[in-house]
Amino acid sequence: ETGVTQTPRHLVMGMTNKKSLKCEQHLGHNAMYWYKQSAKKPLELMFVYNFKEQTENNSVPSRFSPECPNSSHLFLHLHTLQPEDSALYLCASSQDNRLQYFGPGTRLTVL
Amino acid sequence: AQSVTQPDIHITVSEGASLELRCNYSYGATPYLFWYVQSPGQGLQLLLKYFSGDTLVQGIKGFEAEFKRSQSSFNLRKPSVHWSDAAEYFCAVGAGNAGNMLTFGGGTRLMVKP
Repeated sequence: ETGVTQTPRHLVMGMTNKKSLKCEQHLGHNAMYWYKQSAKKPLELMFVYNFKEQTENNSVPSRFSPECPNSSHLFLHLHTLQPEDSALYLCASSQDNRLQYFGPGTRLTVL
Repeated sequence: AQSVTQPDIHITVSEGASLELRCNYSYGATPYLFWYVQSPGQGLQLLLKYFSGDTLVQGIKGFEAEFKRSQSSFNLRKPSVHWSDAAEYFCAVGAGNAGNMLTFGGGTRLMVKP
């Protein structure tokens, strides 16, 4: 595998479910990011990790919980989501903190 | 805080015609600027970037963009559009000490007529 991969590609969950999104980068980068892309709003940066440490939380509700166990993997744990959380969740990684490479995204639908 | 405006939500051009997608930004310092393209169901692919130096930057797939500080603009151009260029295009400005805090515009959806 090359680049940035995300699993699953599609996810449907109820508001009481707990699920996790996974991102893996095969580029040797040291920074990883979560973005949310909604139908009616521009891409929004959610979280930034540098060397496994969270350096940015863009006022994201606590029902979204990121985890970065190492520089290659990033998770987004989801619980008690709302229908308005339905969106495309994109992961990205970078080495020089400026050139970000994106994964294909996970299309999340909350019922 | 920085912001990015893409004034055109939709643009339709004929195949072979030239293209210009507009992007205006607001940022207090010298910006890092990017154009990304997104095909349906896909993630974002970097087309080109501006960090410093020559204000006319060349990217992949025959795209170029020009940074104009006086106009706070970073418009994307292509001399001859191909049907495969139909996609959504996003302009972004990078802020923060490392320039990695990306703020995106709302995107411009490009449709190409045969």
